Amino acid sequence: KAGVTQTPRYLIKTRGQQVTLSCSPISGHRSVSWYQQTPGQGLQFLFEYFSETQRNKGNFPGRFSGRQFSNSRSEMNVSTLELGDSALYLCASSFNPTGGQETQYFGPGTRLLVL
Amino acid sequence: SQQGEEDPQALSIQEGENATMNCSYKTSINNLQWYRQNSGRGLVHLILIRSNEREKHSGRLRVTLDTSKKSSSLLITASRAADTASYFCATADTGRRALTFGSGTRLQVQP
Repeated sequence: KAGVTQTPRYLIKTRGQQVTLSCSPISGHRSVSWYQQTPGQGLQFLFEYFSETQRNKGNFPGRFSGRQFSNSRSEMNVSTLELGDSALYLCASSFNPTGGQETQYFGPGTRLLVL
Repeated sequence: SQQGEEDPQALSIQEGENATMNCSYKTSINNLQWYRQNSGRGLVHLILIRSNEREKHSGRLRVTLDTSKKSSSLLITASRAADTASYFCATADTGRRALTFGSGTRLQVQP
């Protein structure tokens, strides 16, 4: 099976712009989670989707949003970008609808740089 | 915020030696997972240990879990240069679907 794929892999944006990142889970996996990784805050949970519904949300402002499509692919959007949004954004998928209660498989990440 | 801390933050050893990393957490958990990350890339799942398990092995990896002390350790035996990476523990709180990660241990294995 192909692994989790994320596009694009690298992205440069300027403050105030918005960005959309995409994640395709492993075939058959229906739970998709998003995480942000920064040197200062480490790995932090953003949100989790299952069957097109957001099941869980981390402590991030409303500028961070996401959605899941019927084929389980997911997108996350960050509006009004700030310098502090520069990070590695990781997507993870799992088969079991309990998300983090089972093994999560991570994609290679999208590295976002905000100038 | 981070669930807990990993110790040490950085570890440098010679090839062939064993590496031990420790992880502490704060809440009741269903499971604890260890991941490896190479140079800011994606996370690779290493092993999952459930709260009712005390020890688990996978190849050169041995994980222990002490729920009374809310701590876990990852032992890599006979380390190789290819083991150079950052290692993270992640916990799944009871009833929560999100993983909460530790701060990570940077392991450097010298050839």
